[in-house]
Amino acid sequence: NAGVTQTPKFQVLKTGQSMTLQCAQDMNHEYMSWYRQDPGMGLRLIHYSVGAGITDQGEVPNGYNVSRSTTEDFPLRLLSAAPSQTSVYFCASSYVASGDNEQFFGPGTRLTVL
Amino acid sequence: GENVEQHPSTLSVQEGDSAVIKCTYSDSASNYFPWYKQELGKGPQLIIDIRSNVGEKKDQRIAVTLNKTAKHFSLHITETQPEDSAVYFCAASIVAGGFKTIFGAGTRLFVKA
Repeated sequence: NAGVTQTPKFQVLKTGQSMTLQCAQDMNHEYMSWYRQDPGMGLRLIHYSVGAGITDQGEVPNGYNVSRSTTEDFPLRLLSAAPSQTSVYFCASSYVASGDNEQFFGPGTRLTVL
Repeated sequence: GENVEQHPSTLSVQEGDSAVIKCTYSDSASNYFPWYKQELGKGPQLIIDIRSNVGEKKDQRIAVTLNKTAKHFSLHITETQPEDSAVYFCAASIVAGGFKTIFGAGTRLFVKA
């Protein structure tokens, strides 16, 4: 199993550009989520999904969209990039959408918005 | 809203000493408390977890304690080794429709050889 994969590893955008961060898992996990990691702020939940076709907002959803058309994929879209979205983004998944399941994290995408 | 506070933000210990990281959560409905270790350039990885019906859990050199009344939980690492150097995150899981995991801000642990 490849686990949770994310692409790209690094990305530089200009303000106003849009892009999609890709996330895929091959463990047949029900639950997937996106976090952003900023210095001194830990991991903050952006959006999550409890199954194909079902998504919901986390703590910091503004400026991001998600969709979950398949169990495996959970892309994160930046609609109009802003410097405040400069961060490291992590995708995670867990077997079931239950509060007591280990989350498996991808390697992260480092995004810089100029 | 829900909040998890983590202290200290940085911790430096000598190899062989113990390290303790403390967290406080705000939502009394939280019932699952995982700890993740993040090495440089990698995603976080679960190292130990505890559920609200348990007061203490141990796995070799690491242990976690939970005080539900005070809404505190702590990570204890004994006989620290240089490879324990990393960022450690506590988290509290809140069941609300789906579920949300709220993370602490992280503790950067340095173990000096």
